[in-house]
Amino acid sequence: GQQLNQSPQSMFIQEGEDVSMNCTSSSIFNTWLWYKQDPGEGPVLLIALYKAGELTSNGRLTAQFGITRKDSFLNISASIPSDVGIYFCAGQNYGGSQGNLIFGKGTKLSVKP
Amino acid sequence: GAGVSQSPSNKVTEKGKDVELRCDPISGHTALYWYRQSLGQGLEFLIYFQGNSAPDKSGLPSDRFSAERTGGSVSTLTIQRTQQEDSAVYLCASSLRARSNTGELFFGEGSRLTVL
Repeated sequence: GQQLNQSPQSMFIQEGEDVSMNCTSSSIFNTWLWYKQDPGEGPVLLIALYKAGELTSNGRLTAQFGITRKDSFLNISASIPSDVGIYFCAGQNYGGSQGNLIFGKGTKLSVKP
Repeated sequence: GAGVSQSPSNKVTEKGKDVELRCDPISGHTALYWYRQSLGQGLEFLIYFQGNSAPDKSGLPSDRFSAERTGGSVSTLTIQRTQQEDSAVYLCASSLRARSNTGELFFGEGSRLTVL
């Protein structure tokens, strides 16, 4: 079935650094979404992308829907401590399995010790 | 409330007992999802309800797991004869089933299940 490969699995950030993560798939998707999960909470939608090639920003966050429709990236600029958490990408394909929505395994952001 | 509500927030049970987890989706949302998240892991799809259509049960890990959604609103996830490996956070999410935002799931805070 469809799968998403999300990388990196984890990373450490230092305040002020830029962060980049991405998701790739062997299948095409109609929509790409990025969620963030804070400890003890459910994931919250950050950015939704609906068109191939689309580049969307939300504050310090920027995400792109790959032109091939098989990948997406999320960048966080000038990271701050509250950026820590788990970031999930998700791809949607109307008529697909799992309620049409496939999640990546997440990228865990932690603060550098 | 305005968001997805799940109960209980925490449940500790003994191996072999049955548990029920409840989800109240956002009013008017026709799509409802259940996911399982083990410690530090990703979201494991369990089941998906969409309106009056037959649910997609393809993610349920065994026949000890079942879920229903009554009246197109509240959903209950039932785990029978719980095992220690069932310990996880069970997340519910709902979505307004319009083409422009079908992927915009709203998650509850989860029910943390611990099986002793």
